[in-house]
Order: sequence, then C-alpha cells, then structure tokens
Amino acid sequence: GAVVSQHPSRVICKSGTSVKIECRSLDFQATTMFWYRQFPKQSLMLMATSNEGSKATYEQGVEKDKFLINHASLTLSTLTVTSAHPEDSSFYICSATPLAGSYNEQFFGPGTRLTVL
Amino acid sequence: SQQGEEDPQALSIQEGENATMNCSYKTSINNLQWYRQNSGRGLVHLILIRSNEREKHSGRLRVTLDTSKKSSSLLITASRAADTASYFCATDAGGATNKLIFGTGTLLAVQP
Repeated sequence: GAVVSQHPSRVICKSGTSVKIECRSLDFQATTMFWYRQFPKQSLMLMATSNEGSKATYEQGVEKDKFLINHASLTLSTLTVTSAHPEDSSFYICSATPLAGSYNEQFFGPGTRLTVL
Repeated sequence: SQQGEEDPQALSIQEGENATMNCSYKTSINNLQWYRQNSGRGLVHLILIRSNEREKHSGRLRVTLDTSKKSSSLLITASRAADTASYFCATDAGGATNKLIFGTGTLLAVQP
C-alpha cells in the first residue's frame, strides 16, 4: 500500500528556533500533500494544501509566514515552523494523494510531535 | 467553523458489544470517510462512502449515510480491546483540492 513517512517523529526545541518537518511519499508520487495540526484530545485541523511546484494554499487563520511549506518534488513536502513558541507545540500530520481527480484517498504520515520549551 | 460534530465524544463498552458513533456535517459532500487513530499515532483509513450511497460494510464495520440529514454513523460490531482508539469522520466536498474536513472525534474504549 501507499506509505507516507514523516521526519522527525518527535522534536523538542527552544522558543525562537525554527523547525523543519519532512513529509515523504515512499512508493508513489504525490501531486497534492496536506498539512494538519492536532492539539491534545482534539481533531485534526487542516493548515494548508500543498501542490508540487506551486505555492501552498493556507486555510483561514493560518499564518503563511510562520508555517512555511515547500513542495519541491512529487515525493517531498516540508513544513517549517519559524520562530517557534510554546503555543506552536502540537502534533503535525501530513497526508498525500497519489492522483488528481474526483476522489483520491489521502494516505497519512505517522505524525511529528513538536514541543517548544 | 466547517468542522463536523461527532457524538458521543467518548464511549466505553465491554468486549463483544457493538459500538455506534455518529457524525454530523454542515456542507454538501462528495464522500464521507471514517478514520481511526491510536493514541499519538497517524490516521488509518477505515471506509469511504459516497454521497449516492446509503450504507456500506467492511468486515465488522458498517457505515450509513443520510445526506438529507447531513449525518453518518459508524457501527463496529463484536468489538475487541484492540478497537480502542479515536474515530474520526471526514467529509470531502469534492472539487480540485479534495480537502478533508474532520469531525471532532469519538474516543472509544473497549474493556476486556
């Protein structure tokens, strides 16, 4: 089946630093990748939609200058949390869809837990 | 917020019993999907039901969809302790982006 990986799985950083999270589709090419954030005991909130070779589309209320998304290839998207603060601590999950069309299953990565001290 | 609502928020049952979770949403959909998430882990896709379908089965899972009421239910029959997880519905409105809007989730605990 389609596998999506994320790296790192867990990161702890000091306030003010930037953190990069990678999302890779391992056995398929992903035209679209999605980034979600999940706070403890809450649901997933879509942050942005990322298409290869173009700028990401951010959801309302998500700061594009704070959460930089790069989708440079069909198998890799990165999310950089710039100048991270404790309130950015969360579980970040990416997903990828292998084809464009009327329906595509999203395959989810295992998530990255970010803790900002 | 476009987020769907799920109830109950938490459900505790004994092994062997059935578990029913409900999901309501707000906008028209192309399809509705159910996912499972073990604590601190990624999501696992369980089942997808299209807007023109009313019921779908997969193993011990049964999903219904009522587009007139904008609601769906997930039934897990003969539950097992390993079914303990959070369950989320997610709606896909279709279109070019295939964005998923997730419900608030139901935390299911199956006691052995």
